[in-house]
Amino acid sequence: QKEVEQDPGPLSVPEGAIVSLNCTYSNSAFQYFMWYRQYSRKGPELLMYTYSSGNKEDGRFIAQVDKSSKYISLFIRDSQPSDSATYLCAMSENSGYSTLTFGKGTMLLVSP
Amino acid sequence: EAQVTQNPRYLITVTGKKLTVTCSQNMNHEYMSWYRQDPGLGLRQIYYSMNVEVTDKGDVPEGYKVSRKEKRNFPLILESPSPNQTSLYFCASSLAPPGTEAFFGQGTRLTVV
Repeated sequence: QKEVEQDPGPLSVPEGAIVSLNCTYSNSAFQYFMWYRQYSRKGPELLMYTYSSGNKEDGRFIAQVDKSSKYISLFIRDSQPSDSATYLCAMSENSGYSTLTFGKGTMLLVSP
Repeated sequence: EAQVTQNPRYLITVTGKKLTVTCSQNMNHEYMSWYRQDPGLGLRQIYYSMNVEVTDKGDVPEGYKVSRKEKRNFPLILESPSPNQTSLYFCASSLAPPGTEAFFGQGTRLTVV
């Protein structure tokens, strides 16, 4: 069983749509949850960072963590063509510096 | 400008010829990591370092070496590259644990023939 599952997409939406991206995981020790955005031929950039369960909002981006279901989500409101990229979820366990485990990424395409 | 700089960006080499990919950060970050990214496999951590002279294996360390003699630099060494190490490599650095790697380099595309 893979540790972090993420639908590879592509997910195609029209401009202005609300986008929902999701990851499931199996390791109950994961405490830190992140979303990265990766444009083609670029390095990933951190979008959102959440500790434990709950919601976090930053502009058009909302991150949700449901540890009881082992499920995390990233919502993008009013999506723009510039949001077209691959979105990677990542997570790690508590204490010190542990290995960061990434999902394989979901490709998002926002059409004008 | 805060950045993580990798060199070279592109490299084609032959099997068995030792190579080093350099990584440097200008943010005084303690934590640095190397990843490889392969189609269908995603990002996988090779090695990481919590500080100078402190390194540890990630998920796929075989065939790689690292060193951390200075805080800003974290080179990745392939002593005897093989074709299965053809990949896109990323260096990353962060200030705070655990693994909040806010800054990635632009990547090094390595081809081993």
